[in-house]
Amino acid sequence: SQQGEEDPQALSIQEGENATMNCSYKTSINNLQWYRQNSGRGLVHLILIRSNEREKHSGRLRVTLDTSKKSSSLLITASRAADTASYFCATDASNNNDMRFGAGTRLTVKP
Amino acid sequence: DSGVTQTPKHLITATGQRVTLRCSPRSGDLSVYWYQQSLDQGLQFLIQYYNGEERAKGNILERFSAQQFPDLHSELNLSSLELGDSALYFCASSVGGGARVADTQYFGPGTRLTVL
Repeated sequence: SQQGEEDPQALSIQEGENATMNCSYKTSINNLQWYRQNSGRGLVHLILIRSNEREKHSGRLRVTLDTSKKSSSLLITASRAADTASYFCATDASNNNDMRFGAGTRLTVKP
Repeated sequence: DSGVTQTPKHLITATGQRVTLRCSPRSGDLSVYWYQQSLDQGLQFLIQYYNGEERAKGNILERFSAQQFPDLHSELNLSSLELGDSALYFCASSVGGGARVADTQYFGPGTRLTVL
């Protein structure tokens, strides 16, 4: 079963706009990670945020984590056509060893 | 290039058959993870091995099995294949064993399995 659920399922924006994707999860976590997947290819790690952190930045990426609401958001600023991909959140639950991925948000950035 | 290699890239087989997918982790990584990605099920965690031993089990069917060898490469065996087993199978590797360790997973390019 999946732990994280991304929202929205699909997002289409113009180049230069910001894209916000959300992830909700069900159980307590140690860490939450965001990954990106270009069509039919392997996932690429973007950023990790620990359960005791509230916000992290990496280049044009900004991730927030609200453990009280069991949710995280990924913001991509000044989007580019090359950002077109699927974005997944992944959580490692406090009570088991494995990492669970959500269903992903499909982002399309139009040039 | 993540440093994780998977072979073969594509595999076409018939129902009832058995196939073996192979994964070589990044140099220095001790953990190998297997995932199945299909349109209707999304990305499903199957199983994790750490330094040769099974560490975690996900939604892996009894028809599927995996192992990690002393040189740390891993194989995923899929038997009695069904049409619904058609999917992308990804292998990932990480340095540590997961479990309260913030491990980044590095994904291979995947093996696309088509069962006819």
